[in-house]
Amino acid sequence: QSVLTQPPSVSGAPGQRVTISCTGSSSNIGANYDVFWYQQLPGTAPKLLIFANSNRPSGVPDRFSASKSGTSASLAITGLEAEDETDYYCQSYDSGLSGWVFGGGTKVTVL
Amino acid sequence: EVQLVESGGGLVQPGGSLRLSCAASGFTFTKSGMNWVRQAPGKGLEWLSYISTSGAINYADSVKGRFTISRDNAKNSVYLQINSLRAEDTALYFCATLYCGGGRCVPYWGQGTLVTVSS
Repeated sequence: QSVLTQPPSVSGAPGQRVTISCTGSSSNIGANYDVFWYQQLPGTAPKLLIFANSNRPSGVPDRFSASKSGTSASLAITGLEAEDETDYYCQSYDSGLSGWVFGGGTKVTVL
Repeated sequence: EVQLVESGGGLVQPGGSLRLSCAASGFTFTKSGMNWVRQAPGKGLEWLSYISTSGAINYADSVKGRFTISRDNAKNSVYLQINSLRAEDTALYFCATLYCGGGRCVPYWGQGTLVTVSS
């Protein structure tokens, strides 16, 4: 059971927009700790998509955007492409656990 | 360029021990706390432990008592000692840091080292 809750899967046709939610609590996202989003291919290290809630590192396409409100955050992928089909994770910090917390991951399927 | 390189993984029998290492470069190691995270096959990411710049340590409840994190600032390295290995410890182990500079904090991850616990 992950501390942050993500939907197990989302899907969309090429070119469409999909969103992935990440729900936390008052000890993590709601405590104003930053949220990070990662894209991960099987067997590889997570690739940073978003840092500090809504900022993209250089090299990440602007098709990826994120926001945070209250105890939740969300990642949006617009103009869905075949190469976007993989797993996505949200991450924050939890004051009660004194450590990083992750969502359970969301598999994006491009129909 | 920030780089984290893990090593020390391998095939270990149940009950055995391993010491994982993570060599850091490209940033001021003494100014960054360090984390270990793992991912079991087909599963999600699990935070394991953190060591601060001053040596303060936190562990996930799931690994307290069996895992020990340490750092050597002279070698720009962080370590994870894993004892009494179990099949469920089979995973890809990553070291990671939240590097803060220029008014922003960005996480960096190594490529991971694979630990397989099997007889």
